[in-house]
Amino acid sequence: KNEVEQSPQNLTAQEGEFITINCSYSVGISALHWLQQHPGGGIVSLFMLSSGKKKHGRLIATINIQEKHSSLHITASHPRDSAVYICAVSGGYQKVTFGTGTKLQVIP
Amino acid sequence: DVKVTQSSRYLVKRTGEKVFLECVQDMDHENMFWYRQDPGLGLRLIYFSYDVKMKEKGDIPEGYSVSREKKERFSLILESASTNQTSMYLCASSFDRYSNQPQHFGDGTRLSIL
Repeated sequence: KNEVEQSPQNLTAQEGEFITINCSYSVGISALHWLQQHPGGGIVSLFMLSSGKKKHGRLIATINIQEKHSSLHITASHPRDSAVYICAVSGGYQKVTFGTGTKLQVIP
Repeated sequence: DVKVTQSSRYLVKRTGEKVFLECVQDMDHENMFWYRQDPGLGLRLIYFSYDVKMKEKGDIPEGYSVSREKKERFSLILESASTNQTSMYLCASSFDRYSNQPQHFGDGTRLSIL
């Protein structure tokens, strides 16, 4: 079973700061997912990646397959980015293992 | 856009009751999943299904069962609710087991067992 570790567990940032959230996993994967969960519960998928780097607006996700490590970056952070960010990895057949999440608060 | 709808946002039940949580998806996805989410533990897989009338145990199936009579609907059943089943329950769906598409989540049901 894959182990997924995220750091930090909690993060407070000032509006405008550059933010990095890290994710490490223990076993080879077919894909890594970054998810966002706002207060109230709903989860949305931000990125799915198996190599390299993806960018969407102010969000950038990178993965290093050899080091079994991924990072999620948020540039020019904003209070609306406040949420829990969850890293998840999938092996075969859509079995997904989730990290425990990073709670981000961006202060105006 | 994929829509995954869970029947209730909040639910309060009593110990020993039989509880049904319903989930419906509108994109003809083959895969459906039930997770529970607890503080400090992340999402844990209870059951999943790759097809109608098919089910597989996840990591924590004890005390739960599921039903998938139609492709769009996946029900989670707590046979005799207990207080340790108080949790947030999330349903998800995805295209199929081979194409590695992301899972789409419902808004969750916050279940309290008294």
